[in-house]
Amino acid sequence: EAAVTQSPRSKVAVTGGKVTLSCHQTNNHDYMYWYRQDTGHGLRLIHYSYVADSTEKGDIPDGYKASRPSQENFSLILELASLSQTAVYFCASKQYAEQFFGPGTRLTVL
Amino acid sequence: SQWGEENLQALSIQEGEDVTMNCSYKTYTTVVQWYRQKSGKGPAQLILIRSNEREKRSGRLRATLDTSSQSSSLSITGTLATDTAVYFCATARNNYAQGLTFGLGTRVSVFP
Repeated sequence: EAAVTQSPRSKVAVTGGKVTLSCHQTNNHDYMYWYRQDTGHGLRLIHYSYVADSTEKGDIPDGYKASRPSQENFSLILELASLSQTAVYFCASKQYAEQFFGPGTRLTVL
Repeated sequence: SQWGEENLQALSIQEGEDVTMNCSYKTYTTVVQWYRQKSGKGPAQLILIRSNEREKRSGRLRATLDTSSQSSSLSITGTLATDTAVYFCATARNNYAQGLTFGLGTRVSVFP
């Protein structure tokens, strides 16, 4: 069974609209992360969390908010989606040094 | 960027050949992880190497880490078509709690 799941797997949004990407993990890990991946590039960290009800900024947090309502769930929120936020978004949970990634959400902003 | 490489590298090889990919990094680290990402999937860790190991093997994989030159390599021997993927090196941002910094990756295409 997949331990990190993401929903939706694909989404088309309009510029200026609100988008919420969801992540659920059954690993019982405390740490969770949101990364974005642009075509032909590596992953860049947006936000992370090490405990429920607390989030931290990563390297590229501008334009994104995060929410961690429980240990299992971690959401990424785009309040005003922009064209530049078109990308694939990955959620991950961490045990020791290893991160376990979800399958990704492909977001297209038009 | 923590990593010296500026562009995604691409390698095309035939099944059975060996392949080596390299990463160089700017910020001192004692641990490098290598991840593999297959098409349409999230990355998955392949191997973690620490500076006191210098070389680490796992099946057909071999990783090296040279902290003096701030570089790491990943070799795959006897490649299979199923090794087709993008391979990333990664290091901790400040500590592992704060997430990873990924290199741009090497796209490896293995043809039967």
